[in-house]
Amino acid sequence: GENVEQHPSTLSVQEGDSAVIKCTYSDSASNYFPWYKQELGKGPQLIIDIRSNVGEKKDQRIAVTLNKTAKHFSLHITETQPEDSAVYFCAVRMDSSYKLIFGSGTRLLVRP
Amino acid sequence: GAGVSQSPSNKVTEKGKDVELRCDPISGHTALYWYRQSLGQGLEFLIYFQGNSAPDKSGLPSDRFSAERTGGSVSTLTIQRTQQEDSAVYLCASTVGQGAEAFFGQGTRLTVV
Repeated sequence: GENVEQHPSTLSVQEGDSAVIKCTYSDSASNYFPWYKQELGKGPQLIIDIRSNVGEKKDQRIAVTLNKTAKHFSLHITETQPEDSAVYFCAVRMDSSYKLIFGSGTRLLVRP
Repeated sequence: GAGVSQSPSNKVTEKGKDVELRCDPISGHTALYWYRQSLGQGLEFLIYFQGNSAPDKSGLPSDRFSAERTGGSVSTLTIQRTQQEDSAVYLCASTVGQGAEAFFGQGTRLTVV
């Protein structure tokens, strides 16, 4: 079955710096790659997603890049702010499946 | 409501007791997932419901776990004879259909003592 690895498990950055979180996956049939943000005591919330026919997608300070050949995708957060501090999860899914397979999460701390 | 609602938000139970966790999906969403999130871990798939199709129960960790979805809306996850290793946050998500964005509830934190 699909396996998703996420790195790093924790990340501490200074406010204003950029943060990058990477995920690799095993099944080349995977074609949907969402990123979720989970704040303390809340459920995960979708922040950005990308499909396999696109290499990059941006939404203000957040971007996701996908390398289908290498089977990895990354979340980029620029100009980080303290409110970006949370746990971030990547996930993958195949069009033929409904199952979202999640990475193990990255705890991001943005230091003021 | 506007989002996925789960109840209770917290549940403490004694080892060996049965518990029921409830999920109210977003109105009109035909697909519903249950995931388990152990402390500091990712989300582990448990079960999936889509419309009137047979649910995918492949993620349920043991026969102590079961789930149902009545009338294509509300879902309950039941854990019988709870064990300490069942302690986790149980998350429910719904989507408008297969392949659509998943919206999560706030979760039920289950503690088995």
